[in-house]
Amino acid sequence: DQQVKQNSPSLSVQEGRISILNCDYTNSMFDYFLWYKKYPAEGPTFLISISSIKDKNEDGRFTVFLNKSAKHLSLHIVPSQPGDSAVYFCAASPSGAGSYQLTFGKGTKLSVIP
Amino acid sequence: DGGITQSPKYLFRKEGQNVTLSCEQNLNHDAMYWYRQDPGQGLRLIYYSQIVNDFQKGDIAEGYSVSREKKESFPLTVTSAQKNPTAFYLCASSGQFGPYGYTFGSGTRLTVV
Repeated sequence: DQQVKQNSPSLSVQEGRISILNCDYTNSMFDYFLWYKKYPAEGPTFLISISSIKDKNEDGRFTVFLNKSAKHLSLHIVPSQPGDSAVYFCAASPSGAGSYQLTFGKGTKLSVIP
Repeated sequence: DGGITQSPKYLFRKEGQNVTLSCEQNLNHDAMYWYRQDPGQGLRLIYYSQIVNDFQKGDIAEGYSVSREKKESFPLTVTSAQKNPTAFYLCASSGQFGPYGYTFGSGTRLTVV
Protein backbone atom coordinates (compact mmCIF):
# COMPACT_ATOMS: atom_id res chain seq x y z
CA ASP A 1 0.00 0.00 0.00
CA GLN A 2 1.72 3.12 -1.26
CA GLN A 3 1.16 5.99 1.12
CA VAL A 4 3.00 8.53 -1.04
CA LYS A 5 2.35 8.40 -4.75
CA GLN A 6 4.04 10.13 -7.63
CA ASN A 7 1.95 8.99 -10.55
CA SER A 8 4.10 10.45 -13.30
CA PRO A 9 7.33 8.48 -13.71
CA SER A 10 8.68 11.10 -16.10
CA LEU A 11 8.13 14.65 -17.30
CA SER A 12 9.69 16.63 -20.17
CA VAL A 13 9.66 20.41 -20.20
CA GLN A 14 11.21 23.06 -22.42
CA GLU A 15 13.87 25.25 -20.89
CA GLY A 16 12.36 28.44 -19.49
CA ARG A 17 8.90 26.96 -19.02
CA ILE A 18 7.28 25.83 -15.79
CA SER A 19 7.76 22.29 -14.47
CA ILE A 20 5.01 20.94 -12.22
CA LEU A 21 5.65 17.74 -10.31
CA ASN A 22 2.78 16.18 -8.42
CA CYS A 23 2.51 14.04 -5.32
CA ASP A 24 -0.48 12.49 -3.56
CA TYR A 25 -0.63 10.92 -0.13
CA THR A 26 -3.14 8.73 1.65
CA ASN A 27 -2.08 8.87 5.29
CA SER A 28 -3.94 11.69 7.02
CA MET A 29 -1.35 11.61 9.81
CA PHE A 30 1.27 13.07 7.47
CA ASP A 31 1.82 16.71 8.23
CA TYR A 32 5.30 17.47 6.99
CA PHE A 33 6.39 17.13 3.38
CA LEU A 34 9.71 17.38 1.60
CA TRP A 35 11.07 17.27 -1.91
CA TYR A 36 14.44 15.78 -2.72
CA LYS A 37 16.39 16.01 -5.96
CA LYS A 38 18.60 13.17 -7.14
CA TYR A 39 21.16 12.97 -9.91
CA PRO A 40 22.28 9.56 -11.25
CA ALA A 41 24.82 7.74 -9.04
CA GLU A 42 24.46 10.33 -6.28
CA GLY A 43 22.49 10.57 -3.06
CA PRO A 44 19.30 12.67 -2.92
CA THR A 45 19.68 16.23 -1.72
CA PHE A 46 17.06 18.24 0.13
CA LEU A 47 15.25 20.79 -2.02
CA ILE A 48 12.30 22.30 -0.19
CA SER A 49 9.80 21.40 2.52
CA ILE A 50 6.38 22.45 3.78
CA SER A 51 4.51 22.03 7.00
CA SER A 52 0.78 21.32 7.04
CA ILE A 53 0.11 24.67 8.70
CA LYS A 54 1.07 26.32 5.41
CA ASP A 55 -0.28 25.94 1.90
CA LYS A 56 2.71 27.38 0.08
CA ASN A 57 6.44 27.65 0.54
CA GLU A 58 8.78 29.39 -1.84
CA ASP A 59 12.54 29.25 -2.30
CA GLY A 60 13.87 30.99 -5.36
CA ARG A 61 12.67 29.18 -8.47
CA PHE A 62 11.06 26.42 -6.41
CA THR A 63 7.59 26.59 -4.86
CA VAL A 64 5.74 23.81 -3.10
CA PHE A 65 1.96 23.93 -2.78
CA LEU A 66 0.00 21.83 -0.32
CA ASN A 67 -3.72 21.04 -0.55
CA LYS A 68 -4.52 19.17 2.65
CA SER A 69 -8.15 18.50 1.82
CA ALA A 70 -7.12 16.82 -1.42
CA LYS A 71 -4.03 15.22 0.16
CA HIS A 72 -2.02 16.61 -2.72
CA LEU A 73 1.16 18.58 -3.07
CA SER A 74 3.01 19.91 -6.05
CA LEU A 75 6.44 21.31 -6.81
CA HIS A 76 6.69 24.16 -9.29
CA ILE A 77 9.98 25.06 -10.91
CA VAL A 78 9.99 28.37 -12.74
CA PRO A 79 11.82 28.90 -15.01
CA SER A 80 13.07 25.39 -15.66
CA GLN A 81 16.75 25.01 -16.47
CA PRO A 82 18.68 22.08 -18.00
CA GLY A 83 20.47 21.60 -14.67
CA ASP A 84 17.10 20.81 -13.09
CA SER A 85 17.05 17.53 -15.01
CA ALA A 86 17.02 14.91 -12.26
CA VAL A 87 14.72 12.55 -10.38
CA TYR A 88 12.53 14.30 -7.83
CA PHE A 89 11.25 12.44 -4.77
CA CYS A 90 8.34 13.52 -2.65
CA ALA A 91 8.53 12.46 1.01
CA ALA A 92 6.19 12.74 3.99
CA SER A 93 6.38 12.44 7.74
CA PRO A 94 3.68 12.19 10.42
CA SER A 95 5.13 15.02 12.47
CA GLY A 96 7.54 17.90 12.17
CA ALA A 97 9.63 17.05 15.21
CA GLY A 98 10.47 13.84 16.98
CA SER A 99 9.54 11.64 14.06
CA TYR A 100 12.35 9.72 12.50
CA GLN A 101 10.77 8.18 9.46
CA LEU A 102 10.08 9.54 6.03
CA THR A 103 7.93 7.77 3.49
CA PHE A 104 9.08 8.34 -0.09
CA GLY A 105 7.28 8.29 -3.40
CA LYS A 106 8.79 6.44 -6.35
CA GLY A 107 10.09 9.59 -7.95
CA THR A 108 9.51 11.58 -11.13
CA LYS A 109 12.28 11.94 -13.68
CA LEU A 110 12.33 15.51 -14.98
CA SER A 111 14.02 16.26 -18.29
CA VAL A 112 14.46 19.92 -19.20
CA ILE A 113 15.07 20.29 -22.90
CA PRO A 114 17.34 23.16 -23.99
CA ASP B 1 32.77 19.33 6.98
CA GLY B 2 29.92 17.32 8.39
CA GLY B 3 28.33 14.64 6.31
CA ILE B 4 27.81 10.99 5.50
CA THR B 5 30.46 8.89 3.82
CA GLN B 6 29.63 5.70 1.99
CA SER B 7 32.32 3.43 0.72
CA PRO B 8 33.14 2.04 -1.68
CA LYS B 9 31.44 3.91 -4.53
CA TYR B 10 31.40 0.78 -6.71
CA LEU B 11 31.51 -2.81 -5.49
CA PHE B 12 31.56 -6.08 -7.35
CA ARG B 13 30.68 -9.35 -5.68
CA LYS B 14 30.66 -12.92 -6.83
CA GLU B 15 27.46 -14.83 -6.41
CA GLY B 16 27.33 -16.61 -3.08
CA GLN B 17 29.58 -14.15 -1.27
CA ASN B 18 28.62 -11.81 1.53
CA VAL B 19 29.66 -8.17 1.21
CA THR B 20 29.60 -5.26 3.66
CA LEU B 21 28.84 -1.67 2.70
CA SER B 22 30.22 1.04 4.92
CA CYS B 23 28.34 4.11 6.16
CA GLU B 24 29.87 6.67 8.52
CA GLN B 25 28.44 10.01 9.66
CA ASN B 26 29.93 12.85 11.67
CA LEU B 27 26.71 14.82 12.05
CA ASN B 28 26.00 13.49 15.55
CA HIS B 29 22.70 12.16 14.24
CA ASP B 30 20.88 9.58 16.31
CA ALA B 31 19.07 7.79 13.49
CA MET B 32 20.53 6.05 10.45
CA TYR B 33 18.91 4.29 7.53
CA TRP B 34 19.67 2.06 4.57
CA TYR B 35 17.72 2.33 1.35
CA ARG B 36 17.90 0.47 -1.90
CA GLN B 37 17.11 2.07 -5.24
CA ASP B 38 16.15 0.09 -8.32
CA PRO B 39 14.93 1.56 -11.60
CA GLY B 40 11.24 2.48 -11.31
CA GLN B 41 11.09 1.41 -7.67
CA GLY B 42 12.02 4.58 -5.86
CA LEU B 43 13.66 4.29 -2.46
CA ARG B 44 12.88 1.19 -0.45
CA LEU B 45 13.81 1.00 3.23
CA ILE B 46 16.00 -1.96 4.21
CA TYR B 47 16.87 -1.28 7.86
CA TYR B 48 16.93 1.66 10.22
CA SER B 49 18.38 2.40 13.62
CA GLN B 50 17.20 5.10 15.98
CA ILE B 51 19.79 4.46 18.67
CA VAL B 52 23.05 2.60 19.21
CA ASN B 53 22.69 -1.16 19.63
CA ASP B 54 19.14 -1.12 18.30
CA PHE B 55 17.78 -1.46 14.77
CA GLN B 56 14.57 -2.31 13.02
CA LYS B 57 13.66 -4.07 9.78
CA GLY B 58 12.31 -1.98 6.97
CA ASP B 59 10.19 -3.09 4.04
CA ILE B 60 12.78 -5.29 2.31
CA ALA B 61 15.10 -6.60 5.05
CA GLU B 62 15.32 -10.20 3.83
CA GLY B 63 18.86 -11.14 2.84
CA TYR B 64 20.42 -8.15 4.64
CA SER B 65 21.90 -7.60 8.08
CA VAL B 66 23.12 -4.52 9.96
CA SER B 67 24.85 -3.53 13.17
CA ARG B 68 24.95 -0.29 15.14
CA GLU B 69 27.80 -0.55 17.62
CA LYS B 70 28.73 3.10 17.34
CA LYS B 71 26.61 6.19 16.80
CA GLU B 72 28.70 7.16 13.79
CA SER B 73 28.58 3.86 11.93
CA PHE B 74 25.84 1.71 10.41
CA PRO B 75 27.32 -0.97 8.11
CA LEU B 76 25.06 -3.06 5.88
CA THR B 77 25.90 -6.65 4.99
CA VAL B 78 24.38 -8.06 1.83
CA THR B 79 24.28 -11.80 2.34
CA SER B 80 24.16 -14.61 -0.17
CA ALA B 81 20.50 -15.03 0.78
CA GLN B 82 19.61 -11.79 -1.02
CA LYS B 83 18.23 -12.98 -4.36
CA ASN B 84 18.72 -9.80 -6.38
CA PRO B 85 21.51 -7.83 -4.72
CA THR B 86 22.55 -5.76 -7.73
CA ALA B 87 21.31 -2.25 -6.92
CA PHE B 88 22.25 1.23 -5.79
CA TYR B 89 22.41 1.44 -1.98
CA LEU B 90 21.91 4.68 -0.08
CA CYS B 91 22.65 5.41 3.55
CA ALA B 92 20.99 8.33 5.36
CA SER B 93 20.92 9.85 8.81
CA SER B 94 18.69 12.24 10.73
CA GLY B 95 18.79 14.08 14.01
CA GLN B 96 15.79 15.34 15.88
CA PHE B 97 13.56 15.65 12.87
CA GLY B 98 13.88 19.04 11.27
CA PRO B 99 13.09 20.90 8.08
CA TYR B 100 15.71 19.09 6.05
CA GLY B 101 14.68 15.54 6.84
CA TYR B 102 17.46 13.17 6.04
CA THR B 103 21.04 13.69 4.96
CA PHE B 104 22.03 11.10 2.38
CA GLY B 105 25.37 9.64 1.45
CA SER B 106 26.50 9.48 -2.15
CA GLY B 107 25.61 5.81 -2.51
CA THR B 108 27.28 2.50 -3.34
CA ARG B 109 26.59 0.69 -6.60
CA LEU B 110 26.75 -3.07 -5.94
CA THR B 111 27.01 -5.42 -8.89
CA VAL B 112 26.92 -9.19 -8.57
CA VAL B 113 29.03 -10.93 -11.19
